[in-house]
Amino acid sequence: AQSVTQPDIHITVSEGASLELRCNYSYGATPYLFWYVQSPGQGLQLLLKYFSGDTLVQGIKGFEAEFKRSQSSFNLRKPSVHWSDAAEYFCAVVPSGNTGKLIFGQGTTLQVKP
Amino acid sequence: KAGVTQTPRYLIKTRGQQVTLSCSPISGHRSVSWYQQTPGQGLQFLFEYFSETQRNKGNFPGRFSGRQFSNSRSEMNVSTLELGDSALYLCASSLAEGLDGYTFGSGTRLTVV
Repeated sequence: AQSVTQPDIHITVSEGASLELRCNYSYGATPYLFWYVQSPGQGLQLLLKYFSGDTLVQGIKGFEAEFKRSQSSFNLRKPSVHWSDAAEYFCAVVPSGNTGKLIFGQGTTLQVKP
Repeated sequence: KAGVTQTPRYLIKTRGQQVTLSCSPISGHRSVSWYQQTPGQGLQFLFEYFSETQRNKGNFPGRFSGRQFSNSRSEMNVSTLELGDSALYLCASSLAEGLDGYTFGSGTRLTVV
């Protein structure tokens, strides 16, 4: 079945440590790929997106993501986490031919320890 | 530029009633999509409109409907409300093919009692 999987529901890291949030998708053709962040009670903010080309994508707030076709993955990384990064992170895809239809993963809640 | 505006921010309704939520997209954006967010089901796609036409639809009952006006503003309507419809409803707008990404509003928190 077509799906987006974020294997980690909850992650805790220390402030200043590196971060990697995992995302895997199962679609035949490479979809459009996105990472969003959501603070409590708020909407979603786009961190970065991938459509084609360079597989390492830079986003806002110091985040980057790497697309690996062979692994159907689009993992989000940050070299040094700040306390303000605590939030919920969602990986999303727009399947090929379904413009406007974002399919989301279950989300990963990031907690940052001082 | 102004972001995506959703009104109202909060809404309390009684079972059996109907509700209309509004979404004003970023100026120039012609695509508006709607999502339901609940703790149990996560973020689920409801439908997407482009140039006043529904282009994509999710797996929701017919009680959920929407429309888009000529100025790209969109409304969604839920009739015969059920307790399970309590959720955060988010809309997102984008240019035609979404290549600029999808910009979300802050959402409407609907509580059905």
